[in-house]
Amino acid sequence: EAGVAQSPRYKIIEKRQSVAFWCNPISGHATLYWYQQILGQGPKLLIQFQNNGVVDDSQLPKDRFSAERLKGVDSTLKIQPAKLEDSAVYLCASSSSSGASYEQYFGPGTRLTVT
Amino acid sequence: GENVEQHPSTLSVQEGDSAVIKCTYSDSASNYFPWYKQELGKRPQLIIDIRSNVGEKKDQRIAVTLNKTAKHFSLHITETQPEDSAVYFCAARGAAGNKLTFGGGTRVLVKP
Repeated sequence: EAGVAQSPRYKIIEKRQSVAFWCNPISGHATLYWYQQILGQGPKLLIQFQNNGVVDDSQLPKDRFSAERLKGVDSTLKIQPAKLEDSAVYLCASSSSSGASYEQYFGPGTRLTVT
Repeated sequence: GENVEQHPSTLSVQEGDSAVIKCTYSDSASNYFPWYKQELGKRPQLIIDIRSNVGEKKDQRIAVTLNKTAKHFSLHITETQPEDSAVYFCAARGAAGNKLTFGGGTRVLVKP
């Protein structure tokens, strides 16, 4: 079974520029998550999708961050304009919607540096 | 919302000794408590998890205990090895949806 795929792996941009990250979850996983992990901290949930609908985006800074999962499979997360404090690793995760397992599987992450 | 506190933030042990990491959570309705291991530059990987209807779970050298009354859970690693060196995160799942709230992490160093 292929894991969660993310691209790019690394990105360096200047503040006020825009950036987009892509995630392809494990095949058949209905739930997709985007997390922000600042260096030295635990992952923080930004947004959770169930198929193509948003379940939770309470911690997403909506003035600059947006995310979509139009066909209920892959997803993109965008930041526009970026700030210095957005420097972090952005992790995508997915999980099955069956009640048998709550496990979330993480992708390798995208390391964003904002200068 | 849910708040998860994790202690200690760093832990240094001699190879062969045991390591214990503790977490507390605030939402009494939380029902699932996973532990993730994250090596430098790598993705978090699940090492063990426990549901709220179970008090203890063991898998070889690692075990997790849950005290629902006190709202805390702990990770125990016995006979530590250098490859156990990593950052460990606890998390709690709220009753609604599958939202995980993570603790701040514990950096474990196993000295040979």
